[in-house]
Amino acid sequence: RKEVEQDPGPFNVPEGATVAFNCTYSNSASQSFFWYRQDCRKEPKLLMSVYSSGNEDGRFTAQLNRASQYISLLIRDSKLSDSATYLCVVNLGPLSGAGSYQLTFGKGTKLSVIP
Amino acid sequence: DGGITQSPKYLFRKEGQNVTLSCEQNLNHDAMYWYRQDPGQGLRLIYYSQIVNDFQKGDIAEGYSVSREKKESFPLTVTSAQKNPTAFYLCATSTGSFNQPQHFGDGTRLSIL
Repeated sequence: RKEVEQDPGPFNVPEGATVAFNCTYSNSASQSFFWYRQDCRKEPKLLMSVYSSGNEDGRFTAQLNRASQYISLLIRDSKLSDSATYLCVVNLGPLSGAGSYQLTFGKGTKLSVIP
Repeated sequence: DGGITQSPKYLFRKEGQNVTLSCEQNLNHDAMYWYRQDPGQGLRLIYYSQIVNDFQKGDIAEGYSVSREKKESFPLTVTSAQKNPTAFYLCATSTGSFNQPQHFGDGTRLSIL
């Protein structure tokens, strides 16, 4: 089983639609979770962290289900500017030695918002 | 991220040549990382460093080398031993705390001539 697995995509949705992405992770000891956004040929940028109780940032809602080992991202009222690839990122725990942690990135789900 | 500077933006390598990618940060972050991204693939960790003068291999370190002589700088050398170097290289930093995300520079695209 892959460490972090995302919906295959691509998702093509009309403006104003609600779209949801899911992501599963294999390591039950994973400690923290993030969603990043990556525009074409650009670096990933942090969209939001994912907290155990779920969290919202404007039109974006992230949820975590530890029992089932998945996280989700919901985008409401999609805008053209939301078109990007969304990366699910899981912190698998400390790298050798203390002080840094390994993030494992999913391959991403491409979203295209259509006028 | 404005606090992480990668250079050059584009780089071309000839056969048998070593090339060095620069990564500088002014965020005062302890941990620095190098990733490689191939088309349609997730990011893969090459090397990471937690403190000055210390660094560790990631998942795909073969054919690469790094140094961490200053907290602000973590250059990556792609050696001639790396037979498939064409990729998008990303440098990231973090405070090192487990619940903190990593922040990325804007990357270097390396191609073979």
